[in-house]
Amino acid sequence: DTGVSQDPRHKITKRGQNVTFRCDPISEHNRLYWYRQTLGQGPEFLTYFQNEAQLEKSRLLSDRFSAERPKGSFSTLEIQRTEQGDSAMYLCASSRGEGSEQYFGPGTRLTVT
Amino acid sequence: LAKTTQPISMDSYEGQEVNITCSHNNIATNDYITWYQQFPSQGPRFIIQGYKTKVTNEVASLFIPADRKSSTLSLPRVSLSDTAVYYCLVGDMWNTGFQKLVFGTGTRLLVSP
Repeated sequence: DTGVSQDPRHKITKRGQNVTFRCDPISEHNRLYWYRQTLGQGPEFLTYFQNEAQLEKSRLLSDRFSAERPKGSFSTLEIQRTEQGDSAMYLCASSRGEGSEQYFGPGTRLTVT
Repeated sequence: LAKTTQPISMDSYEGQEVNITCSHNNIATNDYITWYQQFPSQGPRFIIQGYKTKVTNEVASLFIPADRKSSTLSLPRVSLSDTAVYYCLVGDMWNTGFQKLVFGTGTRLLVSP
């Protein structure tokens, strides 16, 4: 049973560096979501793809953030010029379509020093 | 999306039944109620979803009164492994648009021996 996978699981970077995270959704799922979770809080929506099209972005997604899903399969989330406030768990989820549950990956924990 | 209110934390012992209540006074006609479970350093996991009355699956039951302004997640005979954060979400899960999940701060359940 291959669920949603994310890589890396942990990333430590220095302030100002760029980082990129990868998410591989469940293979037949056409919807892919990115969320961010800080300590003690629930996940917050960042952005959403339907196949390769990015259809919605949260205001949390500043200009330093960019997400892609080039072939409608895996997705990448890049953060440029990282700041300490970017330290969080970045979660990816996928779903089959409308009305279906979202399956979450294990997340990538980012620490910006 | 309807705002939800849950207790911040709950304590229980192994073998007991745990009931976590969620208030959602502004629930809309098309909104469903969904519960997710999250263990430390993992993504949330879907537990159960309902619209009205009672829904039961292999892990939990969801009770929804007629006015739908609240709901109760019932976990029968909890074990230590049920220690987690439980999130109540309310939204139009069948919307033809995207399905942004809106998480609150959740309820931290601690199960002791």
